[in-house]
Amino acid sequence: AQKVTQAQTEISVVEKEDVTLDCVYETRDTTYYLFWYKQPPSGELVFLIRRNSFDEQNEISGRYSWNFQKSTSSFNFTITASQVVDSAVYFCALSERGTGANSKLTFGKGITLSVRP
Amino acid sequence: NAGVTQTPKFRVLKTGQSMTLLCAQDMNHEYMYWYRQDPGMGLRLIHYSVGEGTTAKGEVPDGYNVSRLKKQNFLLGLESAAPSQTSVYFCASSALVPRISNQPQHFGDGTRLSIL
Repeated sequence: AQKVTQAQTEISVVEKEDVTLDCVYETRDTTYYLFWYKQPPSGELVFLIRRNSFDEQNEISGRYSWNFQKSTSSFNFTITASQVVDSAVYFCALSERGTGANSKLTFGKGITLSVRP
Repeated sequence: NAGVTQTPKFRVLKTGQSMTLLCAQDMNHEYMYWYRQDPGMGLRLIHYSVGEGTTAKGEVPDGYNVSRLKKQNFLLGLESAAPSQTSVYFCASSALVPRISNQPQHFGDGTRLSIL
């Protein structure tokens, strides 16, 4: 069975600090997909990134970067120079190819990030 | 630019009452999902649908029923509400893209449901 572990439950940083959110996953499938979602205080879920298991290239998008390492089954998310608007709950999620193309997601429990001015 | 719309946004029920949550998407997505979010638990899949007229159970289906009579709508029903069903419910949809599976899910804004 697939599983996503976000061991950090709450992180608090001061604005402009860098912060890394950890995500460790378990799956028996050789083809799978990893996602990060952001849930700001307003409550909606915002898609941030999708990565398939064959693509271990790190990705950078502005202040956001993701480090995917199959050897350690991790897909960590780093925010550089954090801002107050980054305060949110961040979810890592996993979808196995074996479930078909319907992309059922297994979510981690989420990390609450607070960025203080 | 509606995307995924959930109604209602808030509801308070008494134990034993029934209700239906409505999810509508305007992106012509093939797949739709219902999740519940509880404190410290992340999101858990209740039921999902891979197309009009088809539904399947997710991780926590007990006490819920669903229907997908139209492609754009996915209904979640509580036949006899229980306090354990107090939660925030999210609907999501995702596209069927040939040869590119497991597309990102797009979520509605959630329905906050309290069962007294």
